[in-house]
Amino acid sequence: DTAVSQTPKYLVTQMGNDKSIKCEQNLGHDTMYWYKQDSKKFLKIMFSYNNKELIINETVPNRFSPKSPDKAHLNLHINSLELGDSAVYFCASSLGTGSYSGELFFGEGSRLTVL
Amino acid sequence: AQSVTQLDSHVSVSEGTPVLLRCNYSSSYSPSLFWYVQHPNKGLQLLLKYTSAATLVKGINGFEAEFKKSETSFHLTKPSAHMSDAAEYFCVVRGEWGGATNKLIFGTGTLLAVQP
Repeated sequence: DTAVSQTPKYLVTQMGNDKSIKCEQNLGHDTMYWYKQDSKKFLKIMFSYNNKELIINETVPNRFSPKSPDKAHLNLHINSLELGDSAVYFCASSLGTGSYSGELFFGEGSRLTVL
Repeated sequence: AQSVTQLDSHVSVSEGTPVLLRCNYSSSYSPSLFWYVQHPNKGLQLLLKYTSAATLVKGINGFEAEFKKSETSFHLTKPSAHMSDAAEYFCVVRGEWGGATNKLIFGTGTLLAVQP
């Protein structure tokens, strides 16, 4: 059983389109994250939710909108896609926030290519 | 603000020889430090963590790291490289306490190649 699963794994689309990436975790964790990894492998946090509540919102264009229908799911919707949005997007989860161990469990990534 | 610097973007070793991946950190207080590994087309996995207990930390797959405050370093080592160790390695520091207690700050990564 995959602990953190993301769909789709690959996404190729045109500029200006709207797309969504879905994430689900079956670990019973209460905190979930979206990270963006650029072409140079640099990883940066975008959002974090704890029990469906947004707790981290980095400086991300408002074309990106996360949604957490329940604590096991965190989806990412992107409007009006731009070339610079091409990246690998990783979903992750962890147990707790303040005193957590620093261990994040990552999905395998969703590679978004904008043409 | 916390940050980490990985001193080598690429490291190449022969199978069976030691591995050294270097990381220096910057922090205004005692940091929590981690190493994560990313195999090709996979998500990241925690290798080991330092959270102010023992300065020599042992992780999975025979890796270990030593926290050296005087040198602000947290280098990752393994006595004998295996082909399966070929991957990207990230040194990570946890962000400031407060509203972003669960924010991890990643280094730029070191790609480890293992030659047969």
